[in-house]
Amino acid sequence: AAGVIQSPRHLIKEKRETATLKCYPIPRHDTVYWYQQGPGQDPQFLISFYEKMQSDKGSIPDRFSAQQFSDYHSELNMSSLELGDSALYFCASSLGGGASYEQYFGPGTRLTVT
Amino acid sequence: GESVGLHLPTLSVQEGDNSIINCAYSNSASDYFIWYKQESGKGPQFIIDIRSNMDKRQGQRVTVLLNKTVKHLSLQIAATQPGDSAVYFCAESSPYNTDKLIFGTGTRLQVFP
Repeated sequence: AAGVIQSPRHLIKEKRETATLKCYPIPRHDTVYWYQQGPGQDPQFLISFYEKMQSDKGSIPDRFSAQQFSDYHSELNMSSLELGDSALYFCASSLGGGASYEQYFGPGTRLTVT
Repeated sequence: GESVGLHLPTLSVQEGDNSIINCAYSNSASDYFIWYKQESGKGPQFIIDIRSNMDKRQGQRVTVLLNKTVKHLSLQIAATQPGDSAVYFCAESSPYNTDKLIFGTGTRLQVFP
């Protein structure tokens, strides 16, 4: 079965650079979620979109922005990168909004900021 | 390599034994709970969920128990297998913040022969 696709899988950037992470949800899923997972930490919710509209916002820095496009894929844009942004970034998708709908996670993008 | 879970609590069990992983959740208003399994280099994988109107739910080889009085969740894995080795997270969601899953501290399960 098709799963959530994230690209790139690995990304190395320098401080103050920008990065764009992409997420392609499972076909027919209309909701995407972004999570950040630091080393040895649990995933932290960043932001979510339902039907191309932002539906919830968590601990996402102002330097980050995201959107969901008409084909339901989503992009997380990160600017002025800091060393502390190094983490695994997961995208999840679900059919229907709200955390009580099963969220399927992608394999993640490992971002390393040097 | 994968750096998730370097400093997490670890549960070591022998293959074939039962495993119990515990989790304390934070919000008494949370009404939906999920257990995720995360293998090295992969995203969290859904295992089983439970709603607050239940105190027990069973799946294939797994059982989740919910004790709302003490805000405690547990995952029981029967006949643990080497393929069960992973980091396990519980997550909760609140009706007041419906998109947000709040993850608890993971537990690394190590299965040895």
